[in-house]
Amino acid sequence: GAVVSQHPSRVICKSGTSVKIECRSLDFQATTMFWYRQFPKKSLMLMATSNEGSKATYEQGVEKDKFLINHASLTLSTLTVTSAHPEDSSFYICSATLLGENSPLHFGNGTRLTVT
Amino acid sequence: GENVEQHPSTLSVQEGDSAVIKCTYSDSASNYFPWYKQELGKRPQLIIDIRSNVGEKKDQRIAVTLNKTAKHFSLHITETQPEDSAVYFCAASRGGTSGTYKYIFGTGTRLKVLA
Repeated sequence: GAVVSQHPSRVICKSGTSVKIECRSLDFQATTMFWYRQFPKKSLMLMATSNEGSKATYEQGVEKDKFLINHASLTLSTLTVTSAHPEDSSFYICSATLLGENSPLHFGNGTRLTVT
Repeated sequence: GENVEQHPSTLSVQEGDSAVIKCTYSDSASNYFPWYKQELGKRPQLIIDIRSNVGEKKDQRIAVTLNKTAKHFSLHITETQPEDSAVYFCAASRGGTSGTYKYIFGTGTRLKVLA
Protein backbone atom coordinates (compact mmCIF):
# COMPACT_ATOMS: atom_id res chain seq x y z
CA GLY A 1 0.00 0.00 0.00
CA ALA A 2 0.84 3.72 -0.06
CA VAL A 3 1.99 3.96 -3.66
CA VAL A 4 2.73 7.39 -5.08
CA SER A 5 2.99 7.74 -8.82
CA GLN A 6 4.59 10.68 -10.58
CA HIS A 7 4.42 11.55 -14.25
CA PRO A 8 6.32 12.21 -16.41
CA SER A 9 9.58 10.66 -15.26
CA ARG A 10 11.57 12.74 -17.70
CA VAL A 11 10.74 15.88 -19.66
CA ILE A 12 12.73 18.19 -21.88
CA CYS A 13 11.30 21.58 -22.70
CA LYS A 14 12.39 24.83 -24.26
CA SER A 15 12.99 28.02 -22.31
CA GLY A 16 9.82 30.01 -21.86
CA THR A 17 7.45 27.09 -21.99
CA SER A 18 5.52 25.57 -19.10
CA VAL A 19 5.67 22.02 -17.83
CA LYS A 20 3.12 20.20 -15.69
CA ILE A 21 4.10 17.36 -13.36
CA GLU A 22 1.46 15.10 -11.86
CA CYS A 23 1.62 13.32 -8.52
CA ARG A 24 -0.98 10.70 -7.70
CA SER A 25 -1.63 8.63 -4.62
CA LEU A 26 -2.77 5.35 -6.14
CA ASP A 27 -4.18 3.41 -3.23
CA PHE A 28 -4.86 6.01 -0.58
CA GLN A 29 -6.20 9.51 -0.17
CA ALA A 30 -3.70 12.24 0.53
CA THR A 31 -5.02 15.52 1.88
CA THR A 32 -1.44 16.75 2.00
CA MET A 33 1.32 16.25 -0.52
CA PHE A 34 4.82 17.66 -0.50
CA TRP A 35 6.91 18.82 -3.43
CA TYR A 36 10.66 18.61 -3.19
CA ARG A 37 13.47 19.62 -5.50
CA GLN A 38 16.73 17.71 -5.54
CA PHE A 39 19.91 18.97 -7.15
CA PRO A 40 22.58 16.47 -8.24
CA LYS A 41 24.16 14.82 -5.22
CA LYS A 42 22.28 17.16 -2.95
CA SER A 43 19.52 16.94 -0.42
CA LEU A 44 15.76 17.15 -0.81
CA MET A 45 14.70 20.77 -0.62
CA LEU A 46 11.07 21.29 0.37
CA MET A 47 9.43 23.61 -2.11
CA ALA A 48 5.83 23.61 -0.96
CA THR A 49 3.12 21.76 0.88
CA SER A 50 0.08 21.01 -1.21
CA ASN A 51 -3.25 20.89 0.59
CA GLU A 52 -6.36 19.46 -1.01
CA GLY A 53 -8.95 22.12 -1.63
CA SER A 54 -6.83 25.04 -0.49
CA LYS A 55 -3.80 27.07 -1.51
CA ALA A 56 -0.39 25.54 -1.26
CA THR A 57 2.06 26.69 1.38
CA TYR A 58 5.37 27.68 -0.17
CA GLU A 59 8.75 27.66 1.53
CA GLN A 60 10.75 30.82 1.78
CA GLY A 61 12.50 31.63 -1.47
CA VAL A 62 10.19 29.57 -3.68
CA GLU A 63 8.26 31.68 -6.17
CA LYS A 64 4.63 30.69 -6.05
CA ASP A 65 3.88 32.30 -9.40
CA LYS A 66 6.60 30.28 -11.03
CA PHE A 67 5.85 26.95 -9.40
CA LEU A 68 2.07 26.63 -9.52
CA ILE A 69 0.63 23.90 -7.35
CA ASN A 70 -2.88 22.58 -7.62
CA HIS A 71 -4.36 19.91 -5.35
CA ALA A 72 -7.86 19.52 -6.73
CA SER A 73 -8.59 16.05 -5.44
CA LEU A 74 -7.53 13.72 -2.65
CA THR A 75 -5.39 11.70 -5.02
CA LEU A 76 -3.85 14.25 -7.36
CA SER A 77 -1.51 17.20 -6.96
CA THR A 78 0.14 18.97 -9.88
CA LEU A 79 3.20 21.17 -10.09
CA THR A 80 3.46 23.48 -13.09
CA VAL A 81 6.80 25.11 -13.81
CA THR A 82 5.87 28.25 -15.69
CA SER A 83 8.10 30.11 -18.12
CA ALA A 84 10.84 27.59 -17.54
CA HIS A 85 14.48 28.64 -17.59
CA PRO A 86 17.59 26.45 -17.75
CA GLU A 87 18.18 27.05 -14.03
CA ASP A 88 14.88 25.30 -13.35
CA SER A 89 16.45 22.09 -14.63
CA SER A 90 16.38 19.71 -11.71
CA PHE A 91 14.86 16.58 -10.21
CA TYR A 92 11.39 17.22 -8.79
CA ILE A 93 9.86 14.65 -6.48
CA CYS A 94 6.54 14.56 -4.70
CA SER A 95 5.55 12.68 -1.58
CA ALA A 96 2.59 11.99 0.67
CA THR A 97 1.80 10.22 3.90
CA LEU A 98 -0.74 7.48 4.34
CA LEU A 99 -1.44 8.23 7.98
CA GLY A 100 -0.94 11.98 8.14
CA GLU A 101 1.54 13.78 10.32
CA ASN A 102 4.33 11.93 12.08
CA SER A 103 4.12 9.01 9.72
CA PRO A 104 6.39 7.93 6.86
CA LEU A 105 6.56 9.87 3.63
CA HIS A 106 6.04 7.85 0.48
CA PHE A 107 7.79 9.28 -2.53
CA GLY A 108 6.92 9.35 -6.17
CA ASN A 109 9.54 8.21 -8.65
CA GLY A 110 10.51 11.79 -9.47
CA THR A 111 10.64 13.89 -12.62
CA ARG A 112 13.87 14.89 -14.28
CA LEU A 113 13.26 18.28 -15.92
CA THR A 114 15.70 19.61 -18.46
CA VAL A 115 15.14 23.09 -19.86
CA THR A 116 17.06 23.87 -23.03
CA GLY B 1 13.63 28.56 10.04
CA GLU B 2 13.83 24.85 10.59
CA ASN B 3 17.14 23.23 9.82
CA VAL B 4 18.55 19.71 9.92
CA GLU B 5 22.30 19.19 9.76
CA GLN B 6 23.74 15.83 8.82
CA HIS B 7 27.28 14.45 9.14
CA PRO B 8 29.37 13.10 7.59
CA SER B 9 28.62 13.94 3.96
CA THR B 10 30.54 10.88 2.80
CA LEU B 11 31.44 7.73 4.67
CA SER B 12 33.46 4.73 3.54
CA VAL B 13 33.58 1.56 5.60
CA GLN B 14 34.86 -1.94 5.11
CA GLU B 15 32.28 -4.66 4.65
CA GLY B 16 31.27 -5.99 8.03
CA ASP B 17 32.13 -2.81 9.91
CA SER B 18 29.59 -0.45 11.43
CA ALA B 19 28.50 2.91 10.06
CA VAL B 20 27.11 5.82 12.05
CA ILE B 21 25.42 8.89 10.64
CA LYS B 22 24.46 11.80 12.85
CA CYS B 23 21.85 14.52 12.55
CA THR B 24 21.02 17.61 14.53
CA TYR B 25 17.75 19.49 14.28
CA SER B 26 16.92 23.04 15.25
CA ASP B 27 13.17 22.94 15.87
CA SER B 28 12.61 21.74 19.42
CA ALA B 29 8.98 20.95 18.54
CA SER B 30 10.05 18.24 16.08
CA ASN B 31 8.61 14.93 17.17
CA TYR B 32 9.11 12.47 14.33
CA PHE B 33 12.44 11.46 12.80
CA PRO B 34 12.56 9.14 9.77
CA TRP B 35 15.60 7.91 7.89
CA TYR B 36 15.58 7.30 4.16
CA LYS B 37 17.85 5.41 1.81
CA GLN B 38 18.16 6.58 -1.77
CA GLU B 39 19.91 4.46 -4.36
CA LEU B 40 21.12 6.04 -7.55
CA GLY B 41 18.26 7.08 -9.79
CA LYS B 42 15.60 5.81 -7.41
CA ARG B 43 13.14 7.33 -5.00
CA PRO B 44 13.98 7.59 -1.29
CA GLN B 45 12.78 4.64 0.74
CA LEU B 46 12.05 4.67 4.46
CA ILE B 47 14.38 2.37 6.41
CA ILE B 48 13.56 3.24 10.00
CA ASP B 49 11.89 5.97 12.01
CA ILE B 50 11.58 7.08 15.61
CA ARG B 51 9.15 9.22 17.52
CA SER B 52 10.03 11.66 20.25
CA ASN B 53 8.66 9.51 23.05
CA VAL B 54 11.25 6.82 22.33
CA GLY B 55 15.01 6.97 22.83
CA GLU B 56 16.07 4.06 20.68
CA LYS B 57 14.66 1.73 18.06
CA LYS B 58 16.21 -1.25 16.35
CA ASP B 59 15.34 -3.26 13.28
CA GLN B 60 17.80 -6.07 12.55
CA ARG B 61 21.08 -4.40 11.49
CA ILE B 62 19.68 -0.89 11.69
CA ALA B 63 19.13 1.20 14.79
CA VAL B 64 18.28 4.80 15.50
CA THR B 65 18.90 6.73 18.70
CA LEU B 66 17.35 10.02 19.74
CA ASN B 67 18.57 12.57 22.29
CA LYS B 68 15.80 15.13 22.58
CA THR B 69 17.71 17.30 25.02
CA ALA B 70 20.61 17.72 22.66
CA LYS B 71 18.37 17.59 19.57
CA HIS B 72 20.51 14.85 18.08
CA PHE B 73 19.56 11.61 16.41
CA SER B 74 21.76 8.99 14.81
CA LEU B 75 21.53 6.06 12.44
CA HIS B 76 23.59 2.98 13.18
CA ILE B 77 24.16 0.23 10.62
CA THR B 78 25.99 -2.85 11.82
CA GLU B 79 27.62 -5.61 9.78
CA THR B 80 27.53 -3.45 6.68
CA GLN B 81 27.13 -5.08 3.29
CA PRO B 82 27.88 -3.75 -0.22
CA GLU B 83 24.15 -3.36 -0.86
CA ASP B 84 24.03 -0.84 1.98
CA SER B 85 25.91 1.56 -0.29
CA ALA B 86 23.56 4.47 -1.03
CA VAL B 87 22.76 8.00 0.07
CA TYR B 88 21.06 8.23 3.45
CA PHE B 89 18.89 11.15 4.52
CA CYS B 90 17.60 12.00 7.95
CA ALA B 91 14.51 14.13 8.41
CA ALA B 92 12.64 15.88 11.16
CA SER B 93 8.96 16.62 11.29
CA ARG B 94 6.58 18.38 13.58
CA GLY B 95 2.83 18.45 13.72
CA GLY B 96 1.41 21.89 13.06
CA THR B 97 -1.72 23.85 13.70
CA SER B 98 -4.81 23.20 11.64
CA GLY B 99 -3.36 19.91 10.50
CA THR B 100 -0.30 21.46 8.85
CA TYR B 101 3.00 19.69 9.08
CA LYS B 102 6.15 19.27 7.02
CA TYR B 103 9.34 17.25 6.81
CA ILE B 104 12.77 18.87 6.63
CA PHE B 105 15.61 16.73 5.33
CA GLY B 106 19.27 16.66 6.21
CA THR B 107 21.95 17.16 3.60
CA GLY B 108 22.54 13.46 3.03
CA THR B 109 25.39 11.01 3.60
CA ARG B 110 26.88 9.01 0.80
CA LEU B 111 27.80 5.64 2.27
CA LYS B 112 30.21 3.35 0.47
CA VAL B 113 30.74 -0.15 1.75
CA LEU B 114 33.97 -1.57 0.43
CA ALA B 115 34.05 -5.28 -0.25
